[in-house]
Amino acid sequence: QVQLQESGPGLVKPSETLSLTCTVSGGSISSLYWSWIRQPPGKGLEWIGHIYYSGSTSYNPSLKSRVTISVDTSKNQFSLKLTSVTAADTAVYYCARGASVTDSWGQGTLVTVSS
Amino acid sequence: QPVLTQSSSASASLGSSVKLTCTLSSGHSTYIIAWHQQQPGKAPRYLMKLEGSGSYIKGSGLPDRFSGSSSGADRYLTISNLQFEDEADYYCETWDTSIVFGGGTKLTVL
Repeated sequence: QVQLQESGPGLVKPSETLSLTCTVSGGSISSLYWSWIRQPPGKGLEWIGHIYYSGSTSYNPSLKSRVTISVDTSKNQFSLKLTSVTAADTAVYYCARGASVTDSWGQGTLVTVSS
Repeated sequence: QPVLTQSSSASASLGSSVKLTCTLSSGHSTYIIAWHQQQPGKAPRYLMKLEGSGSYIKGSGLPDRFSGSSSGADRYLTISNLQFEDEADYYCETWDTSIVFGGGTKLTVL
């Protein structure tokens, strides 16, 4: 069964870039879609974007200007970069797998934006 | 883009059944959705994929107490013989050019 694990800094300063990596184990990243989803404290789920193993991407229009998702098939990893962060970007960030809908989730990592 | 509408809260007694609803916006009534469960302090868990026909495919290890059904633009998650561990937030999800989540329903088991 596939497992996903997020990694990256838990604290990012305002105006800087948030960078996270998701390591996939128990299955190959060379198929299906790989997503980033976030959840601000006490709020619902927000899709950030996803990448197909071939490298094609789709992003949430509300975040598109600040988001880049990339994949490294040799390491079975995919990554998220979110630029110019503010306190509104404080959230638990999840990586996830999807075929059509999301069917596997990472455990999530809390990223706080604060000086 | 589709919009998914969920009631903000629901409650039911231990051992009883509850039916949660996710409603697709106009023009999207045939869309497939997924249901996810998020217990307090935990990551979401995929429960099932549910089609407009009412056919559903459950995630690995999901008890038979969980089932799905559909009627028009409404997608349902029914949980029978409620247990305290079923107390959680439940989200529906669909996709078009983007992935979309409903606002979630907080289920309380009394």
